[in-house]
Amino acid sequence: EAGVAQSPRYKIIEKRQSVAFWCNPISGHATLYWYQQILGQGPKLLIQFQNNGVVDDSQLPKDRFSAERLKGVDSTLKIQPAKLEDSAVYLCASSRESTGPRHTFGSGTRLTVV
Amino acid sequence: AQSVTQLGSHVSVSEGALVLLRCNYSSSVPPYLFWYVQYPNQGLQLLLKYTSAATLVKGINGFEAEFKKSETSFHLTKPSAHMSDAAEYFCAVSDLARSGNTPLVFGKGTRLSVIA
Repeated sequence: EAGVAQSPRYKIIEKRQSVAFWCNPISGHATLYWYQQILGQGPKLLIQFQNNGVVDDSQLPKDRFSAERLKGVDSTLKIQPAKLEDSAVYLCASSRESTGPRHTFGSGTRLTVV
Repeated sequence: AQSVTQLGSHVSVSEGALVLLRCNYSSSVPPYLFWYVQYPNQGLQLLLKYTSAATLVKGINGFEAEFKKSETSFHLTKPSAHMSDAAEYFCAVSDLARSGNTPLVFGKGTRLSVIA
């Protein structure tokens, strides 16, 4: 099966600019996650979708981050305005009900805010 | 709240030597446990998972891990290290108390270096 697709792979922006990341999960995977991985740390959940509904966004900085999964398939994560501390790798993952919480990850988007 | 502790941010072994990466978890109920590997500029790849079946779990690339409830541990081992094993390794836990697919809580990772 095709993997989780993410784009772009790399992005450099200035602080206070906006940026958007895209993710297309594995076909048939109802659950989609966005994680933030800061250099030297493990991934941290930002938001979880089940189909097109939000299950958990308790750790999403809602004053600047937003995410949507309108048709229950692909998803977009946006940051506006970006801060220096948002520099990180943004990982998208998906899973299906039959395999429980086992995640399949995309290659990630490396964001550098200067 | 769940948490995962990986002892040692960096482990260095000689090629052919035993690999031991340590992971301890805290969870109110027996969890699902995972080990993922991350190569430079790539996403995370699943090595193995524990889902309350056999306590000794075999994964890909010769890795295995043993779930020890009494020690709340899930250490990753490989009998003989290969140069290609050099990467970042993450232990993760998922809460079985929640229904449906649940997110993972990750440790901070252990960077494995293999010396020729």
